Amino acid sequence: GAGVSQTPSNKVTEKGKYVELRCDPISGHTALYWYRQSLGQGPEFLIYFQGTGAADDSGLPNDRFFAVRPEGSVSTLKIQRTERGDSAVYLCASSLIRGEQFFGPGTRLTVL
Amino acid sequence: DQQVKQNSPSLSVQEGRISILNCDYTNSMFDYFLWYKKYPAEGPTFLISISSIKDKNEDGRFTVFLNKSAKHLSLHIVPSQPGDSAVYFCAASAQGGSEKLVFGKGTKLTVNP
Repeated sequence: GAGVSQTPSNKVTEKGKYVELRCDPISGHTALYWYRQSLGQGPEFLIYFQGTGAADDSGLPNDRFFAVRPEGSVSTLKIQRTERGDSAVYLCASSLIRGEQFFGPGTRLTVL
Repeated sequence: DQQVKQNSPSLSVQEGRISILNCDYTNSMFDYFLWYKKYPAEGPTFLISISSIKDKNEDGRFTVFLNKSAKHLSLHIVPSQPGDSAVYFCAASAQGGSEKLVFGKGTKLTVNP
């Protein structure tokens, strides 16, 4: 019974490296969201896809962050030239209609 | 500037008693509100929601109350159980556009046996 899955569950990288985080939404869900949660904070919105297109990327902190969803299902969040401040849990959520968003377990990114 | 505020970082209650978690918001465009529960190392799990056209929504032991004039909502859990111990996040969204969720910082609830 497929919920939202995210891989990897943990990622440790060095400052300056490139990372990719993957999200598999619930089958048939057209809306996909990425959020970032830092310690002691609630999740913060990064980007929203409706189908294949990024309909709202206003939460991306800078141009080192980019996300794609080429076939309207799986999405990849890409971070270039990682910085220590990028360390956080990256959450993906999907939804079918307006209402609750279903979250994955997250990817914990640590930048050394 | 925090648009959704949960001013109590933690709350401790006895098993069987009522837990009341509070949330305030500042953006009058918000028209849909949700509560999520989060266990360590897991993603947030949806609990209950309420539309701004209502002032109360109930689901089993969980009730959410919305006071639009005060821009305040609360989650009541009755009776509280040890398994309810988790971090609870209040979230809000505005109709139209991405309908992204704006979250508070969370309240850690501990239910003592």
